[in-house]
Amino acid sequence: QQPVQSPQAVILREGEDAVINCSSSKALYSVHWYRQKHGEAPVFLMILLKGGEQKGHDKISASFNEKKQQSSLYLTASQLSYSGTYFCGTGASGTYKYIFGTGTRLKVLA
Amino acid sequence: DTGVSQDPRHKITKRGQNVTFRCDPISEHNRLYWYRQTLGQGPEFLTYFQNEAQLEKSRLLSDRFSAERPKGSFSTLEIQRTEQGDSAMYLCASSLGADIQYFGPGTRLTVL
Repeated sequence: QQPVQSPQAVILREGEDAVINCSSSKALYSVHWYRQKHGEAPVFLMILLKGGEQKGHDKISASFNEKKQQSSLYLTASQLSYSGTYFCGTGASGTYKYIFGTGTRLKVLA
Repeated sequence: DTGVSQDPRHKITKRGQNVTFRCDPISEHNRLYWYRQTLGQGPEFLTYFQNEAQLEKSRLLSDRFSAERPKGSFSTLEIQRTEQGDSAMYLCASSLGADIQYFGPGTRLTVL
C-alpha cells in the first residue's frame, strides 16, 4: 500500500516554512525522504529510523511517529532551490520492496 | 553526480523491439534497485538485487522484463517486445545495506 502524502502541492514565498506529511496504513520501520527536480533523479534528503536515529540534511528536519505510522518533513526558511517534488519512501514489511509515497509538489517563489 | 551511472540516457525504439539498459552502481554497494517512473508519478519498484541474487520482483514486471546482476556488480534490465506502455524513465539506485539509496540519472525510454 502506497504511503499517502499531504499536501499534494504547496506554493511558498522564499523564507517561508512548510510541512509535508507522509502516512502509511502499514507499520513503518524506517522512512526516507527524497527530493526530485523536474527531469532529474530523486536525491536523498533524510532517513529516519525506529528509535529516533536520523541522518540527513542539516537545513531540513523530520519527525517519525512509529505508533501513528506517520512522518513529517519540515522545511524552514525555504529557498528557491527547495522547489521540486518531495517523496517519502519506505520498505514494505516482509519483502525487499521499496515503496515511494504519492508525492508533494513544492514551489518556492522569489 | 551520485556515482551511479546508467546507459543509455535516452532510448527511442519501435514497438516490438527489444531494449537493454545498464546500471553501474557505486562499487561497494551490495544492494541494487530498479524503478520505473512515468510523468507525475513517483518511482515504482520493479526489482531488487542483493549482491548477484535477485530477491524481489514486482508483479508489475511481466515476463517481458528481465534483470540480471552478474557477479554482483553492474546490472542490466531488458525489455522484450516493447509496447507503448513501456515508455517511461527507468531508474537504478544502489545502497549499502538498508541505507540511503543513491539514484542514477535514469534512462528515458520512448516506444513509438
